[in-house]
Amino acid sequence: RKEVEQDPGPFNVPEGATVAFNCTYSNSASQSFFWYRQDCRKEPKLLMSVYSSGNEDGRFTAQLNRASQYISLLIRDSKLSDSATYLCVVNRDDKIIFGKGTRLHILP
Amino acid sequence: DAEITQSPRHKITETGRQVTLACHQTWNHNNMFWYRQDLGHGLRLIHYSYGVHDTNKGEVSDGYSVSRSNTEDLPLTLESAASSQTSVYFCASSGVLGYEQYFGPGTRLTVT
Repeated sequence: RKEVEQDPGPFNVPEGATVAFNCTYSNSASQSFFWYRQDCRKEPKLLMSVYSSGNEDGRFTAQLNRASQYISLLIRDSKLSDSATYLCVVNRDDKIIFGKGTRLHILP
Repeated sequence: DAEITQSPRHKITETGRQVTLACHQTWNHNNMFWYRQDLGHGLRLIHYSYGVHDTNKGEVSDGYSVSRSNTEDLPLTLESAASSQTSVYFCASSGVLGYEQYFGPGTRLTVT
């Protein structure tokens, strides 16, 4: 089993809709969690950190469920510019482990 | 503004040749990383360094080497390029281990 697993998608979602992805991690010792965004043929960039209490940044909400070992990303009122690949990232013992990413296509 | 750059951005080389990819960061970060990204595999760690003269192997280090002679640079060398090393290579740096990594724009390498 991979240490970080994501549904690869693609998720095809109409503009304005709400979309959510989950990511599961296998090692309960994982300490911190992040979502990165990667546009086509570009480098990954940090979207947001994920805190135990959950956190929100504009239209984006990230949640952590330690008991079930998953993190989630919710995007509300999706925009065409949200089309990208979203990478789930886990820190364990100062090692950063990347998921393979979930592709999101926002449809006009 | 601080940044991380990679060169060249695109490279075509022949099997068996030695190739070096450059990575330069002006964040003054101690931690630097090299990844390759291929369809179906996501980002895979090749080598990393926690400071000058420190280098460590990642999960896919065979056929690659790095050296760290100063804080700013971590060049990646392919000793004898193979077609299986055709990929997109990303360099990254971070100031705090386990936290945000800043990525360079990537180098697209084709080995023919």
